[in-house]
Amino acid sequence: DAGVTQSPTHLIKTRGQHVTLRCSPISGHKSVSWYQQVLGQGPQFIFQYYEKEERGRGNFPDRFSARQFPNYSSELNVNALLLGDSALYLCASSLGGGPYEQYFGPGTRLTVT
Amino acid sequence: GNSVTQMEGPVTLSEEAFLTINCTYTATGYPSLFWYVQYPGEGLQLLLKATKADDKGSNKGFEATYRKETTSFHLEKGSVQVSDSAVYFCALVANNNDMRFGAGTRLTVKP
Repeated sequence: DAGVTQSPTHLIKTRGQHVTLRCSPISGHKSVSWYQQVLGQGPQFIFQYYEKEERGRGNFPDRFSARQFPNYSSELNVNALLLGDSALYLCASSLGGGPYEQYFGPGTRLTVT
Repeated sequence: GNSVTQMEGPVTLSEEAFLTINCTYTATGYPSLFWYVQYPGEGLQLLLKATKADDKGSNKGFEATYRKETTSFHLEKGSVQVSDSAVYFCALVANNNDMRFGAGTRLTVKP
C-alpha cells in the first residue's frame, strides 16, 4: 500500500505570498494532521482533521488554515508568508481521531525569501 | 499543557555499545507514548509505542517501558549498529489528540 504522500516536495516563496500544501493519507485512514518542523527541532502540531472536521489546532496564527476533503486528502494554506514560516511541513495520517499512532509523509520543504 | 522532554544530544557511540535516550513527559490523563526515528533525508517513522502504564514497546532491538510513576519512556538498545544513526523523537498523544514531540536526539554510531 502507498504511504502518506505530500506535494510539492520543495517550494520557494517570497514574503507576503500565499502557499498551499497537499497531502493524501494512507488508504483507509480518516484523520490527517499537519506539523511544522523547524531545523533542529521536533515537529510542532498545527491542525488535526477527522471526517472533514477540525479536531485540534495548535498555537499557530490565523494565517494558517486547513481543510479535509471527502476523499480524506487535505490542504494546508498559509497566507502572508513570513521568513519564519520556512520549515519542513509534515502531514501524518491515522485511522481515527483518537490517540492512534500517526504515519508521516516525507514532508514539503518550504523556503520563504 | 502536555509536553515531552528529551535527553539533549548529540550522542556518539561506538558500534555494539549500549544506548539509552531519556524521555520524560507531562500530561493530563493517560497519554499514549511513542518513539519515532528520522533517518538522514527521510521522513519520520514510527519505531515503537506503548498505550498504558507498564507496557513495553519493542522493535528492531529497541525497547521502551511506559513508567507512570516516573512519567518516563526511555529508549534502550543493547547493541547499536552504524545503521541506527538517526534522530530519535519521543512523542505523546493525550486526550486532546494532538501529538507532542520532544526536540529530538541525534545519534551517531561509529564503526
